[in-house]
Amino acid sequence: AQSVAQPEDQVNVAEGNPLTVKCTYSVSGNPYLFWYVQYPNRGLQFLLKYITGDNLVKGSYGFEAEFNKSQTSFHLKKPSALVSDSALYFCAVRDTVYGNNRLAFGKGNQVVVIP
Amino acid sequence: GAGVSQSPSNKVTEKGKDVELRCDPISGHTALYWYRQSLGQGLEFLIYFQGNSAPDKSGLPSDRFSAERTGGSVSTLTIQRTQQEDSAVYLCASSRRTSGGTDTQYFGPGTRLTVL
Repeated sequence: AQSVAQPEDQVNVAEGNPLTVKCTYSVSGNPYLFWYVQYPNRGLQFLLKYITGDNLVKGSYGFEAEFNKSQTSFHLKKPSALVSDSALYFCAVRDTVYGNNRLAFGKGNQVVVIP
Repeated sequence: GAGVSQSPSNKVTEKGKDVELRCDPISGHTALYWYRQSLGQGLEFLIYFQGNSAPDKSGLPSDRFSAERTGGSVSTLTIQRTQQEDSAVYLCASSRRTSGGTDTQYFGPGTRLTVL
């Protein structure tokens, strides 16, 4: 089955510093990759996705992600973190095995931006 | 425009009772998904509806779980004889149906279910 791994439980970063949230994937066929963010007591908000084309994908709120096929990675980045970026971040891959576009999610990374 | 809406936002029930959770997808979205988010299991797929096709129920954890989608729009997830392990946040998502599965799923705020 398709899967993604988010190796870190929590990412701490000082406000104004670069933020990176790591994600690696395992798929058969073309990877369709997504990042979502979840604020406390809220649903998931879409940030960006990679389908094809440029390896650097730009998304909402100043976030971007770099698709690296050789390293099977899709790390989320932001050049300068804000306190308001503190949230739970999920990487996901379209699970092509079942052919229904379901998403397979990583376990999530808690990001804490320290003022 | 309006996003995906879910009701109720919170539901507390007693073990053994039945519950119904509702999802209103984004207008014009033909695909609808239910996921469950729990501490031990993370985010897991439950069921998928696409237009008038038969739903994909392969993610439902037991026969106590069922879902329907009326008129290709509103969906209801029903859990019968609730158990404490059903306690979780139930998330609904919808998307346009495009070929190749590149469409983005947009999520509702979720229903937090607590089974006492």
